[in-house]
Amino acid sequence: AQSVSQHNHHVILSEAASLELGCNYSYGGTVNLFWYVQYPGQHLQLLLKYFSGDPLVKGIKGFEAEFIKSKFSFNLRKPSVQWSDTAEYFCAVKAGSYQLTFGKGTKLSVIP
Amino acid sequence: DGGITQSPKYLFRKEGQNVTLSCEQNLNHDAMYWYRQDPGQGLRLIYYSQIVNDFQKGDIAEGYSVSREKKESFPLTVTSAQKNPTAFYLCASSRGFASGRSNTGELFFGEGSRLTVL
Repeated sequence: AQSVSQHNHHVILSEAASLELGCNYSYGGTVNLFWYVQYPGQHLQLLLKYFSGDPLVKGIKGFEAEFIKSKFSFNLRKPSVQWSDTAEYFCAVKAGSYQLTFGKGTKLSVIP
Repeated sequence: DGGITQSPKYLFRKEGQNVTLSCEQNLNHDAMYWYRQDPGQGLRLIYYSQIVNDFQKGDIAEGYSVSREKKESFPLTVTSAQKNPTAFYLCASSRGFASGRSNTGELFFGEGSRLTVL
């Protein structure tokens, strides 16, 4: 079975700091990759996705992620975080006929 | 606007009672899902349905039941057999079938239902 690992449970940053959230998965074949975000009191929404092509994908609100196949990774980045980025971030992987598998999530707290 | 509607948003239940959570979608999606979200554990799949009148167990199906009588609706019943039912429950939908090319895995989520067992 596939699995998804998110390296950090809780990340605390000051505004304007750079962000990188790690995500690794275990599956050797073709994958579709996602980052979802859950803002406080809101429903889960798609931040960005990778299916094929350019491994550097851009999402909403200035986020981007890079797929590195050799490392089985799909890390999320943002050059300068804002207080409004405070949320929980989930990495998810769709591999073959398996259902979408989520990581355990990373809580991001941005201090003004 | 198209979307997924879950109800109720908050629900309290006494131990030993069954409770049903509603999920309706008007996105014309084939597949629907129920996830459970607990702090620090991410989202875990309870049940999913790829087509009307068919559904499969996910990773944590014990103590839950579902039905899929209509394409738009996928209610979840939390039974008294569920040992730790207090949680946040999320319903989602997606295009296409699980094993088909048309299912990219992208999910659209409802706002969730928070169940508390007293």
